[in-house]
Amino acid sequence: AQTVTQSQPEMSVQEAETVTLSCTYDTSESNYYLFWYKQPPSRQMILVIRQEAYKQQNATENRFSVNFQKAAKSFSLKISDSQLGDTAMYFCAFMIRNAGNMLTFGGGTRLMVKP
Amino acid sequence: AAGVIQSPRHLIKEKRETATLKCYPIPRHDTVYWYQQGPGQDPQFLISFYEKMQSDKGSIPDRFSAQQFSDYHSELNMSSLELGDSALYFCASSATGDTEAFFGQGTRLTVV
Repeated sequence: AQTVTQSQPEMSVQEAETVTLSCTYDTSESNYYLFWYKQPPSRQMILVIRQEAYKQQNATENRFSVNFQKAAKSFSLKISDSQLGDTAMYFCAFMIRNAGNMLTFGGGTRLMVKP
Repeated sequence: AAGVIQSPRHLIKEKRETATLKCYPIPRHDTVYWYQQGPGQDPQFLISFYEKMQSDKGSIPDRFSAQQFSDYHSELNMSSLELGDSALYFCASSATGDTEAFFGQGTRLTVV
């Protein structure tokens, strides 16, 4: 079974600064995807960024980027130029490709962006 | 753009009652997933459907059942409700070959 661990229950950052959220996972699979989802107070789950395990290049989406360390099974999310609207719960998630494509989530990190 | 629609948004039921949650996936999405998110917890996978057939089963109690209909909408039926069933229930949909699952806004079920 796959497990996803987020060791930071809560974090805070000043507006315009950079913050990094940590995620580690455990799997014996080789073909998988990793995701970061954002859940704002509205509770909507919004995809922030995804990474394919076989791609060495780290994914980036505007102010969001990941540091994917496959050997270490680490997948951290860096948010640059933090904005008040980034305040949310962030979930790291794992998916085995072509095995149902269901997501296994970590416990989440609550991020507060302070003005 | 059309999103995943869930209804109702909020539902209050008493113990031992039944509840039916509905999910309307994005047009042309053939896969539907159901997740349960308890208070302060991460979402847990319940069940999924592909082309109207059950695809995978997660931690779904025997008291719950689900199906996907010919128009691809899905319903999650919950019977003999317990206090512990109080949670946010998400439906997500995806298209064949796409790893991105689009989530609905969820149905908040409160069992009293």
